[in-house]
Amino acid sequence: AQSVTQLGSHVSVSEGALVLLRCNYSSSVPPYLFWYVQYPNQGLQLLLKYTSAATLVKGINGFEAEFKKSETSFHLTKPSAHMSDAAEYFCAVTPAFGNEKLTFGTGTRLTIIP
Amino acid sequence: SQTIHQWPATLVQPVGSPLSLECTVEGTSNPNLYWYRQAAGRGLQLLFYSVGIGQISSEVPQNLSASRPQDRQFILSSKKLLLSDSGFYLCAWSVRTASNNEQFFGPGTRLTVL
Repeated sequence: AQSVTQLGSHVSVSEGALVLLRCNYSSSVPPYLFWYVQYPNQGLQLLLKYTSAATLVKGINGFEAEFKKSETSFHLTKPSAHMSDAAEYFCAVTPAFGNEKLTFGTGTRLTIIP
Repeated sequence: SQTIHQWPATLVQPVGSPLSLECTVEGTSNPNLYWYRQAAGRGLQLLFYSVGIGQISSEVPQNLSASRPQDRQFILSSKKLLLSDSGFYLCAWSVRTASNNEQFFGPGTRLTVL
């Protein structure tokens, strides 16, 4: 079974500051990991994914995440926050060897302070 | 390219009334299909998923049901809505043969039950 824990349901950062959104996973088999972003009243859009290639994954809008097996983490970062980054972010996990389902975290709402 | 549609975009229904939400996918064949619900302040809850026509798996017992009458059509229904059915309903699809199970989300339906 898999699970995802996102620490901090709400995170606020100043415009131009570092964004760090935390995701820890639990999986009995090697995982694939995803970060999705959701803007108000919209569906989810894939930011980036880890599928057992490079452990540092670069995504859209300047975001990146690093898979750390020893820490069972997949934290999302962006060096400089922009007002347009304000949204809800979801981390998700699935087994690496094929499965029909993703398991999502409860989400982190990111607020950007001007 | 693939697209996913959901309708209606918003819906206000009285308690006890029936429900039918529709999701269709274009530009792909034999997709896996999913229904999720987001209640206010909560993450994504997987309600149903389908790996083929007429094949539905239910994740959470409730008064909702799902059907897949055609390969790229997924319908969420209820005979009698409850107040607790209010939320944001998201449909998603994934490539059945893909190993990473990346999911692609529709724009969602906002359901308010009064």
